[in-house]
Amino acid sequence: DTGVSQDPRHKITKRGQNVTFRCDPISEHNRLYWYRQTLGQGPEFLTYFQNEAQLEKSRLLSNRFSAERPKGSFSTLEIQRTEQGDSAMYLCASSLAGTGLNGYTFGSGTRLTVV
Amino acid sequence: GENVEQHPSTLSVQEGDSAVIKCTYSDSASNYFPWYKQELGKGPQLIIDIRSNVGEKKDQRIAVTLNKTAKHFSLHITETQPEDSAVYFCAASKGGTASKLTFGTGTRLQVTL
Repeated sequence: DTGVSQDPRHKITKRGQNVTFRCDPISEHNRLYWYRQTLGQGPEFLTYFQNEAQLEKSRLLSNRFSAERPKGSFSTLEIQRTEQGDSAMYLCASSLAGTGLNGYTFGSGTRLTVV
Repeated sequence: GENVEQHPSTLSVQEGDSAVIKCTYSDSASNYFPWYKQELGKGPQLIIDIRSNVGEKKDQRIAVTLNKTAKHFSLHITETQPEDSAVYFCAASKGGTASKLTFGTGTRLQVTL
């Protein structure tokens, strides 16, 4: 287990289609985060899980977005009825809460292009 | 909510010179301040972090300073090398090392030969 894995790396979809991304965190990490990054900006928080519980969701997150972490391991992020404004890099990160050790490890992201 | 501002947006230095990137934050409850390096096509990578009970931390050529009173923190890179060229992000969190981060807008550092 060498890090956080995200799949796919790139996704091109037509406006109105649904897309789903997957994230596999570092196995012993109990927290998993989703961020969105647009060109020239820093990552923006979307949501996070502790084990299988979704503890916080950004107010900026449209109800077209849903995330799950069913068994406290991998997570999926689904975007329904995609819009051109959803085009961005979607980053997943994981960490081990409660230890005070170094923070997040990010994956390489899924770049979504909505045409 | 927390707001993090970062300056400059671009920085060009000659190899061997020092580079300084500055950030300010708005929420005095923030207690954890990491710095990330992002190379093209990759996710951000943690390079150094500092907690609010510490004023300065150093790791080889990289150092971070924190001024809680002024609510600003800075990244210092000495003896810059071409491989330091990347986008650097500062961030702040209220909940420690494993909590939601608010990121700055990034600094593109270019180290020229």
